[in-house]
Amino acid sequence: AQSVTQLDSQVPVFEEAPVELRCNYSSSVSVYLFWYVQYPNQGLQLLLKYLSGSTLVESINGFEAEFNKSQTSFHLRKPSVHISDTAEYFCAVSETGGYQKVTFGTGTKLQVIP
Amino acid sequence: GAGVSQSPRYKVAKRGQDVALRCDPISGHVSLFWYQQALGQGPEFLTYFQNEAQLDKSGLPSDRFFAERPEGSVSTLKIQRTQQEDSAVYLCASSPYGPNTEAFFGQGTRLTVV
Repeated sequence: AQSVTQLDSQVPVFEEAPVELRCNYSSSVSVYLFWYVQYPNQGLQLLLKYLSGSTLVESINGFEAEFNKSQTSFHLRKPSVHISDTAEYFCAVSETGGYQKVTFGTGTKLQVIP
Repeated sequence: GAGVSQSPRYKVAKRGQDVALRCDPISGHVSLFWYQQALGQGPEFLTYFQNEAQLDKSGLPSDRFFAERPEGSVSTLKIQRTQQEDSAVYLCASSPYGPNTEAFFGQGTRLTVV
């Protein structure tokens, strides 16, 4: 069975400062990894994903995450955050075989302070 | 359609009432998932369909929860005799199945049991 750990439930950060949201996963087989974002009162949106190939993946709004197999991590980073990045971020994992059920972490609330 | 569509967006039910939540997946998607997201939590897996076959219902919390996808397209999640602890956002996702694919999520149905 797979699992995801997001150790930080809330991360406050000042505007234009860098941020890292941590994610570690556990699985006995190879995985796909995802970060989803949920803005207040909205649905889940896929932010970025690792399926195969380059271990560094980027989103269109400046976030990036790196798949580190040896450390079983997929931390999300942004060098300079904006107020509009305030949201809850969910790390998720699915196994590459079978029907790829997605398992989510408990989420990290990013609060950007002006 | 362009994305996964769920209806209704909001549902208020009196305790003991039965409810039915609908999911229209992306056309042609083989896989369909239901998730439950309680307030302040990450989405939790409920059940999975591959076409019309319900292959995994390990996440359904009780026998009051029932899901179907009779023609391999639209799916309905039914909750009988609703209780306050059923209050949550119910998310539906679909995917094409196969390697290097991802799940696409709907906006969810927010169920409030009063």
